[in-house]
Amino acid sequence: EVQLVETGGGLIQPGGSLRLSCAASGFTVSSNYMSWVRQAPGKGLEWVSVIYSGGSTYYADSVKGRFTISRDNSKNTLYLQMNSLRAEDTAVYYCARTQIPNWFDPWGQGTLVTVSS
Amino acid sequence: EIVMTQSPATLSVSPGERATLSCRASQSVSSNLAWYQQKPGQAPRLLIYGASTRATGIPARFSGSGSGTEFTLTISSLQSEDFAVYYCQQYNNWPTFGQGTKVEIK
Repeated sequence: EVQLVETGGGLIQPGGSLRLSCAASGFTVSSNYMSWVRQAPGKGLEWVSVIYSGGSTYYADSVKGRFTISRDNSKNTLYLQMNSLRAEDTAVYYCARTQIPNWFDPWGQGTLVTVSS
Repeated sequence: EIVMTQSPATLSVSPGERATLSCRASQSVSSNLAWYQQKPGQAPRLLIYGASTRATGIPARFSGSGSGTEFTLTISSLQSEDFAVYYCQQYNNWPTFGQGTKVEIK
C-alpha cells in the first residue's frame, strides 16, 4: 500500500527554523517526483516545492530562498527545511507523490506548522 | 501565475441530485487540470486528472470535462459521502489551485 506520513510540525517563533519529514512506504521516493503543498487554516491549497527524480528542485516564489526540499534515499524520506519562518507560513503541510507533469496522488495526512510568538 | 477561479463558492444539493462545479483558468491550460475532494480534517484526494480521466478507485458518478480555460466537475447523483470541498488544480505551468467549492446538504 502506498502511504505517506508527515512529521515535524509544531509551534515555532517568527524567524525560527523547522524541518518537516515525510516517510514513504509502498514506493521509492527517489524514483518519483515529490512535492510539498500547504493549506493555511480555513484556506485553499498552495503548492510549495517539488523535487524531481533527477534531483532538480523548484519552489514557489513565496518560499524561495527560505525553504529547501531534499530527500534521503536510504530512508525513503522527503524533507522540507524551513528557515526564516513568518506568520504567513502557518499552515498544514502535506507531502504528495507528484505524477508527471504535476498532479498529486497520494497525499500524506499533513502536519501543522504554527508560526507565532 | 495562472489564476484558477471556481464557482459557486458553495453549492447546496439534496442527496441523489446532480451537482455541477465550474473551474475557470486565467489562460489556457489545455487539458492539464485535476480535481480533488477534501473532507474536514483529511488530506485532499485525487478524483480526476487530464481534465476527464478518473483516478483509480473513483466512482463513475464523478466525471470531468472541458479544455482550455473552462472546466466542469459533475457528480451525477450525490451520495452522503460526497459532501465535501472540491478543488481544481492546473498543471500546465507551476501548479495553482482554485479556492474551492463546498458541496453541502440542502
